[in-house]
Amino acid sequence: KAGVTQTPRYLIKTRGQQVTLSCSPISGHRSVSWYQQTPGQGLQFLFEYFSETQRNKGNFPGRFSGRQFSNSRSEMNVSTLELGDSALYLCASSPTKGTYNEQFFGPGTRLTVL
Amino acid sequence: SQKIEQNSEALNIQEGKTATLTCNYTNYSPAYLQWYRQDPGRGPVFLLLIRENEKEKRKERLKVTFDTTLKQSLFHITASQPADSATYLCALADTGTASKLTFGTGTRLQVTL
Repeated sequence: KAGVTQTPRYLIKTRGQQVTLSCSPISGHRSVSWYQQTPGQGLQFLFEYFSETQRNKGNFPGRFSGRQFSNSRSEMNVSTLELGDSALYLCASSPTKGTYNEQFFGPGTRLTVL
Repeated sequence: SQKIEQNSEALNIQEGKTATLTCNYTNYSPAYLQWYRQDPGRGPVFLLLIRENEKEKRKERLKVTFDTTLKQSLFHITASQPADSATYLCALADTGTASKLTFGTGTRLQVTL
């Protein structure tokens, strides 16, 4: 089975722009979660989607949004980028809702905001 | 406030010894706790999950303990090898918010020959 894929792997944007990141979960997995990882804050939960519904959200401003499609693929969007949004964005998939099962992480998208 | 603490200083041990990593948490009532390994530039990889009613879990050279009274989990790697060098993250979800996984900042393990 192919693992979780994320595109693009690297991205450079300037302040004020917006960005869309994509995540394709493992085939058959219906839950997708997004995380932001920075050296200072570590891995922080952004949101989780299951069957196209957002089930939980972390403490991030409304500039961070996401969605999930009927094929379980997910996108996250960050609008009005700030320098502090520079981070590794990771998505993780799981076969069922919730995180009682292991999370399978993708390689991440490295976003640099200049 | 809620906190998950892991030793931020790197742990350096010799090959063949047992590495013990600590995860302490405050103001959580976790239903379970997970441990992950992360190599530089890669996403975390799941290692073990232990539930609140389990004291200990083993998988090959790995062992995890979970003490809900002390609010602590210990992660052991026996007969450590240089290939075990990585950052190890603990993660938990509060009961009732199972879909919101919170990670500790991780401990970097360096195993030398």
